[in-house]
Amino acid sequence: KAGVTQTPRYLIKTRGQQVTLSCSPISGHRSVSWYQQTPGQGLQFLFEYFSETQRNKGNFPGRFSGRQFSNSRSEMNVSTLELGDSALYLCASRGTSGARVDEQYFGPGTRLTVT
Amino acid sequence: DQQVKQNSPSLSVQEGRISILNCDYTNSMFDYFLWYKKYPAEGPTFLISISSIKDKNEDGRFTVFLNKSAKHLSLHIVPSQPGDSAVYFCAASELAGGTSYGKLTFGQGTILTVHP
Repeated sequence: KAGVTQTPRYLIKTRGQQVTLSCSPISGHRSVSWYQQTPGQGLQFLFEYFSETQRNKGNFPGRFSGRQFSNSRSEMNVSTLELGDSALYLCASRGTSGARVDEQYFGPGTRLTVT
Repeated sequence: DQQVKQNSPSLSVQEGRISILNCDYTNSMFDYFLWYKKYPAEGPTFLISISSIKDKNEDGRFTVFLNKSAKHLSLHIVPSQPGDSAVYFCAASELAGGTSYGKLTFGQGTILTVHP
């Protein structure tokens, strides 16, 4: 079974621009979560999507948004980029046999650099 | 407010010996705990998990212990191998109830180095 895939793997953007990152979950997984990893803050939860609906959101500004498609693929968008948005963005998927978090399986991440 | 803490930024162990990684949490609503391993330029890899109704879970060389009264968990790796060298993250999730969906709260990580 193929793992979680994320595209692109690396991205360089300029302050003020916007960016869209893509995530394809493990086949059959309907829940997709996004995380931001920075040296100072560690791994922080951004949001979670299930069946095209955002069910949970972390403590990030509205510049961070996402969506999920009917095939469970997900995208996240960051508008008006700031230098502090430079980070590794990780996507994770999980099976949904119940309402529990259970184990999440992560993709390799997208390394975003804002200059 | 860091709800999951890994107080040791790094740990160095000799090959064949036991590695013990520790994690403390403050949120009493956490009821499921996970350990992830991460290599540079890769996403975290799930290792082992434990529910709050248990105090121990074992999978091969990896054992996780949970002490609910102390709000403490630990990961034991026996025997340690050089390939175990990586960053280890402890993570926790809250009771299901609308605000917990898909959210893991992570510790800051511990860098484990296993010397041959």
